[in-house]
Amino acid sequence: GAVVSQHPSRVICKSGTSVKIECRSLDFQATTMFWYRQFPKQSLMLMATSNEGSKATYEQGVEKDKFLINHASLTLSTLTVTSAHPEDSSFYICSAPSGGRQETQYFGPGTRLLVL
Amino acid sequence: GENVEQHPSTLSVQEGDSAVIKCTYSDSASNYFPWYKQELGKGPQLIIDIRSNVGEKKDQRIAVTLNKTAKHFSLHITETQPEDSAVYFCAAVWGGGADGLTFGKGTHLIIQP
Repeated sequence: GAVVSQHPSRVICKSGTSVKIECRSLDFQATTMFWYRQFPKQSLMLMATSNEGSKATYEQGVEKDKFLINHASLTLSTLTVTSAHPEDSSFYICSAPSGGRQETQYFGPGTRLLVL
Repeated sequence: GENVEQHPSTLSVQEGDSAVIKCTYSDSASNYFPWYKQELGKGPQLIIDIRSNVGEKKDQRIAVTLNKTAKHFSLHITETQPEDSAVYFCAAVWGGGADGLTFGKGTHLIIQP
């Protein structure tokens, strides 16, 4: 299956700082990638859709100015959490569709963010 | 939007027995239904999926059934093994790659030795 990587795997930062998370499709190109957030013992919630060469689309309730998304190439999308606060601490996971029908989504290993 | 309900939230079975996890969806336009297995601290791993033009799909010990009329689908794991212990998520989406997945709340499957 297709491989998606994320970097870093975990990050600890101080409140008020910004954190950038990278999502890469390693063996395929992805014009679309998705960003999810998962709080402890909860399900994955879609945050936004990252579109190569155009603006991301955000789900209702997700602040676009706080969660900046850049999809500059066909293999890389970045999520920047700006002015992070403790309530932003979560597991952030990206996915990318691949395959003939482009409906099968492959997930990255996730990034654990802890804001102190 | 789509809403996916998943039951049970926790399922404990004896090693070697079968496990069944059930999901229902609300949007009749959804036509692609994947199942993911997530181990602690890791990203979800696709284990099986089914499209709306098929009623059942099987891959070794894992099978998925879909009832479009009732809008529900189920995951069946036979001959469970300790390594099957994990959290399982069902999801639904209108296929095509343009939309993100709507997940159920997850089922913590515990295989008792």
